[in-house]
Amino acid sequence: GAVVSQHPSRVICKSGTSVKIECRSLDFQATTMFWYRQFPKKSLMLMATSNEGSKATYEQGVEKDKFLINHASLTLSTLTVTSAHPEDSSFYICSAHLFGTDTQYFGPGTRLTVL
Amino acid sequence: GDSVTQMEGPVTLSEEAFLTINCTYTATGYPSLFWYVQYPGEGLQLLLKATKADDKGSNKGFEATYRKETTSFHLEKGSVQVSDSAVYFCALSDRSGGSYIPTFGRGTSLIVHP
Repeated sequence: GAVVSQHPSRVICKSGTSVKIECRSLDFQATTMFWYRQFPKKSLMLMATSNEGSKATYEQGVEKDKFLINHASLTLSTLTVTSAHPEDSSFYICSAHLFGTDTQYFGPGTRLTVL
Repeated sequence: GDSVTQMEGPVTLSEEAFLTINCTYTATGYPSLFWYVQYPGEGLQLLLKATKADDKGSNKGFEATYRKETTSFHLEKGSVQVSDSAVYFCALSDRSGGSYIPTFGRGTSLIVHP
């Protein structure tokens, strides 16, 4: 149980285009999902907390207009990287909080490469 | 605020060696403690957890004991395998603040040679 999926697993796009990444909790409902960014050989950087039915809470230094987060249902959150640039290339990971516990379950990650 | 400190890696071991990865934490409340493992190119997988002092989490031969007196949660395994090569993250989730946003350590890379 407690499986989280991400789609796509890899995406390559041209500079200036937008990319949408989906995060789904497959066998549980997640009122809260988190989006992280991970640079090579670095720890996780929390980007934002996504709550179902409300606006996401962004961490300091994360541009909310560039990284659009939508959490329209209890099993789906999306991250859209708008007007992507090469410096946005990274590994993006989502996690979902299992309600009633203190545990997060992570998706497999999405490798974004912006040319 | 809350913080997690892990030993810096990489940790390089031969197969069947004993593993210890140190983790200490600071927290204002009564956190739950976690170890996550990340294999190359993948997301994080929950390895084990402990929710209160003196609890021992265990999974796949890995163990960690919640030590409140030393604010530690060291990860151990008696005999590592090549397949254990990965990055290990220590984390805490502080329940007292009502928030479940975890705090992660920087990760420790483990390399196991045959």
